[in-house]
Amino acid sequence: GAGVSQSPSNKVTEKGKDVELRCDPISGHTALYWYRQRLGQGLEFLIYFQGNSAPDKSGLPSDRFSAERTGESVSTLTIQRTQQEDSAVYLCASSRGTSRTDTQYFGPGTRLTVL
Amino acid sequence: DQQVKQNSPSLSVQEGRISILNCDYTNSMFDYFLWYKKYPAEGPTFLISISSIKDKNEDGRFTVFLNKSAKHLSLHIVPSQPGDSAVYFCAASLGGGSQGNLIFGKGTKLSVKP
Repeated sequence: GAGVSQSPSNKVTEKGKDVELRCDPISGHTALYWYRQRLGQGLEFLIYFQGNSAPDKSGLPSDRFSAERTGESVSTLTIQRTQQEDSAVYLCASSRGTSRTDTQYFGPGTRLTVL
Repeated sequence: DQQVKQNSPSLSVQEGRISILNCDYTNSMFDYFLWYKKYPAEGPTFLISISSIKDKNEDGRFTVFLNKSAKHLSLHIVPSQPGDSAVYFCAASLGGGSQGNLIFGKGTKLSVKP
């Protein structure tokens, strides 16, 4: 079955380095979301893409975070000059659209550890 | 400040009994609520949802109740099964017909004992 996939599953990096996290959404899904979950916390919205519209970046915590999406396919979340507080599980989700009945399907996440 | 609160970090129930998971919210503009279930090392999976125009939605063993005046919702699982053991997240949407981004609570870890 073609669910949402993310890579890598785990990433360990040193403070100050840049990292790229990848998300492959379900084919045909026009909406794509990035969330992160810090230890002991709920999921925190970062950014979402809907079709060709400008992305909603309202959840990005700083200008070190950016994301791109090519058409309605792969998305990459980039964190520049990583800090220890960036350590979290980064989750990607996709949905057919953004109406309230369009379920968000989540990938397994990328666990990022910044040393 | 947390807009969606799950005040119980954990809950333990006996197999066959009812599990009740609670969620409170502060933003009266939320008009769509969802519950997600998460197993370790997996992403959350959608369980059930409810629109603010309803006070109850049922799907098999799962029922969600919404009390708008109290800004409170709950998820009932009857009967509870060991396979229900997972972390349950409550989420809310500002809607306006669009789901957009979801605002999640911190989750409640449910353990169902055989």
